[in-house]
Amino acid sequence: KNQVEQSPQSLIILEGKNCTLQCNYTVSPFSNLRWYKQDTGRGPVSLTIMTFSENTKSNGRYTATLDADTKQSSLHITASQLSDSASYICVVSAWTYSSYDKVIFGPGTSLSVIP
Amino acid sequence: EADIYQTPRYLVIGTGKKITLECSQTMGHDKMYWYQQDPGMELHLIHYSYGVNSTEKGDLSSESTVSRIRTEHFPLTLESARPSHTSQYLCASSAWRGEQFFGPGTRLTVL
Repeated sequence: KNQVEQSPQSLIILEGKNCTLQCNYTVSPFSNLRWYKQDTGRGPVSLTIMTFSENTKSNGRYTATLDADTKQSSLHITASQLSDSASYICVVSAWTYSSYDKVIFGPGTSLSVIP
Repeated sequence: EADIYQTPRYLVIGTGKKITLECSQTMGHDKMYWYQQDPGMELHLIHYSYGVNSTEKGDLSSESTVSRIRTEHFPLTLESARPSHTSQYLCASSAWRGEQFFGPGTRLTVL
């Protein structure tokens, strides 16, 4: 069964600190993995995308890693800011023979950055 | 910033009313999606479309219906709203196997 799990469910950190969010998946055949940021009351926005051959991708203070062998990904946030407070969603796509990739959303990690 | 729009942003209505949630995108994407998301919970796909005159039901059963008469427009309709329909509804679009761009969402409350 295609599934995406994320940990922790929620996290509170002090402004300026680093943190790492985890994503484990059992999606097959694997196409790509994206991390999205969703601010409260808004739609998700893509932060990074990684395919099978990529094992790290950065976007400013966000760095995502992918281990396709263990089917794990992480999102590292450096020098956190109050604006980083949001839900971070791991999304894994599976190849299909149709024109539509099967997209599986994780439950998200709720991050709160406090001053 | 993605060019995908949803109206209204907030809607409070009484039980039994018919409502239509609007979604439009100006990116020329063939694929469009509707998701339902309860507060603090994950997104659930309720409808998607490959293109004009193509609509499919998603993973989560929904009493809503959709139509795709124009590429840029993908409205969602509830014929008779109930309190169980209270939720946030997110519209998204994507190109071929590409990133999904999300709208800001419509927060629906049915009294």
